[in-house]
Amino acid sequence: SQTIHQWPATLVQPVGSPLSLECTVEGTSNPNLYWYRQAAGRGLQLLFYSVGIGQISSEVPQNLSASRPQDRQFILSSKKLLLSDSGFYLCAWRDRGQGKAFFGQGTRLTVV
Amino acid sequence: GENVEQHPSTLSVQEGDSAVIKCTYSDSASNYFPWYKQELGKRPQLIIDIRSNVGEKKDQRIAVTLNKTAKHFSLHITETQPEDSAVYFCAASLTAGGSYIPTFGRGTSLIVHP
Repeated sequence: SQTIHQWPATLVQPVGSPLSLECTVEGTSNPNLYWYRQAAGRGLQLLFYSVGIGQISSEVPQNLSASRPQDRQFILSSKKLLLSDSGFYLCAWRDRGQGKAFFGQGTRLTVV
Repeated sequence: GENVEQHPSTLSVQEGDSAVIKCTYSDSASNYFPWYKQELGKRPQLIIDIRSNVGEKKDQRIAVTLNKTAKHFSLHITETQPEDSAVYFCAASLTAGGSYIPTFGRGTSLIVHP
């Protein structure tokens, strides 16, 4: 069966510090991968998605970047965090054949 | 691109009552409609889904209906319980294709009062 791992679960970082959140998927190959953010309120804001290694599409211009160095690994990064980067970050993968999308456990990021 | 509208944004019911959440979509090509439940501080979890070749699907106390002509679909929860309290998201997407992105509604906060 497929599983998705996302870490860390909680992170407190000072303004101006770098960020690296990692997500890995097991039990599938060539998945679509996504990074979402939930800021104040409950909406799911799509940040980045990837259809393959090295292929990244950005939905919202911002202080963040994403990379996909391996088929089942998706990384969200920032060189310098802003207060406004605080939020709940969710990685997700989608089974292309079925269409179903599954979320990682999420990372609660607080920038102080 | 696809646009999904979800209503209401907040729904408050008494335990035992039914709850209905409605979504509309804009892209007639969408053929897959999942619903997610997100409890406070946790990840959204897929609870039920429906494909465009089906009009209704049930799983115990939850059901989803789809009207392709009107491009709307609904989540029905019967005999609500306090543990049903959560934020519910609908989504529309395609089952096939490489880059198609699931489009989510803005969420409905369901509160079930004991």
